[in-house]
Amino acid sequence: DAGITQSPRHKVTETGTPVTLRCHQTENHRYMYWYRQDPGHGLRLIHYSYGVKDTDKGEVSDGYSVSRSKTEDFLLTLESATSSQTSVYFCAISGDLMWNSPLHFGNGTRLTVT
Amino acid sequence: GENVEQHPSTLSVQEGDSAVIKCTYSDSASNYFPWYKQELGKGPQLIIDIRSNVGEKKDQRIAVTLNKTAKHFSLHITETQPEDSAVYFCAASMRAGGTSYGKLTFGQGTILTVHP
Repeated sequence: DAGITQSPRHKVTETGTPVTLRCHQTENHRYMYWYRQDPGHGLRLIHYSYGVKDTDKGEVSDGYSVSRSKTEDFLLTLESATSSQTSVYFCAISGDLMWNSPLHFGNGTRLTVT
Repeated sequence: GENVEQHPSTLSVQEGDSAVIKCTYSDSASNYFPWYKQELGKGPQLIIDIRSNVGEKKDQRIAVTLNKTAKHFSLHITETQPEDSAVYFCAASMRAGGTSYGKLTFGQGTILTVHP
């Protein structure tokens, strides 16, 4: 799985609570991404990082924040979880040129917000 | 931004038949088109990709074709096997480099079922 570890793998939380998902890579890749997967929507980009402390928004970034203090770790935080954020979250990594170092995904975190 | 449409959403074939999944994209600047296979409980895994300067690419039973003029690309799986059953996603991207960070836009996915 291209040296990507997501934690936790499953989480159930209540509406209004903060949640942090972690992505750890051992490939020393520059780019890291957070996607969410929902039926009928495929995978949608939440946030991405192009270096330590360098992040930017994707297409569905509202309600999410990210941080990258080290090359190997990319954190996704839901400041106040809502039921609409129930989803499967995938972390992905890639090198400098995507066609030389394509996007590789972790195995996901299934988040349920009750 | 880029928009990728994928069809069909479900596809059922008999073992040994061929399967074709089609995608269209909106941004003529997109120049990289990967296909991913996702098995239950796992993350998507790259199975084949193509750049815009190539019209077709083949890897054993899998092939991808690209029509830049029409802005569509297709995945072809020949001699399907039960282990090909999975969800398949197409995606499109501008290449990483400069101010572009190679963000992939995905299609909605196709559930392929291969019956023995």
